[in-house]
Amino acid sequence: AQKVTQAQTEISVVEKEDVTLDCVYETRDTTYYLFWYKQPPSGELVFLIRRNSFDEQNEISGRYSWNFQKSTSSFNFTITASQVVDSAVYFCALSSHYNTDKLIFGTGTRLQVFP
Amino acid sequence: DTAVSQTPKYLVTQMGNDKSIKCEQNLGHDTMYWYKQDSKKFLKIMFSYNNKELIINETVPNRFSPKSPDKAHLNLHINSLELGDSAVYFCASRQGADTGELFFGEGSRLTVL
Repeated sequence: AQKVTQAQTEISVVEKEDVTLDCVYETRDTTYYLFWYKQPPSGELVFLIRRNSFDEQNEISGRYSWNFQKSTSSFNFTITASQVVDSAVYFCALSSHYNTDKLIFGTGTRLQVFP
Repeated sequence: DTAVSQTPKYLVTQMGNDKSIKCEQNLGHDTMYWYKQDSKKFLKIMFSYNNKELIINETVPNRFSPKSPDKAHLNLHINSLELGDSAVYFCASRQGADTGELFFGEGSRLTVL
């Protein structure tokens, strides 16, 4: 069975702090894909990143960075120098290579960034 | 132009009624989806269609009937609405069997009274 766990329900930080959102996944597949999505207060779901299981390189995009570690089945997301506009619910998700149509989402982490 | 658009954005109705939510994508994608997000923000897939054919039906009650008149549209019809159907319903699309991103619509908030 596939599962995504985001143990942090809610995180509050003050602007300019760095924050890491944890994501732990379970799968028996050897090939799979991991995603992060952002859901701001306006409600839409915004794609942030997709990573396949063969690519363990960390990725950086501006203030965002992702740390993928197969050894611990984790795909953590760090926001550097957080801003109020980063306030949102962030979802980690997983899909199997053999069933790419089905995205399994974690329960989300609500991030609040205070000025 | 909105890539994936859903209507209506808000829907308030009484138990027992029948309602529809429409979804259209202008991205030329082959695959479309319906996801349900409950009050605790949990997102779960309901259906997926590839080029008008049903691919996934994730044990959704048969009161929910998706219809895809063409590959750019995937509508969701719900019969005999129940209180538990209150949720935000998201339509999404993706190109073929590629493992790329899902493009989501803005969601349709359904409230059943």
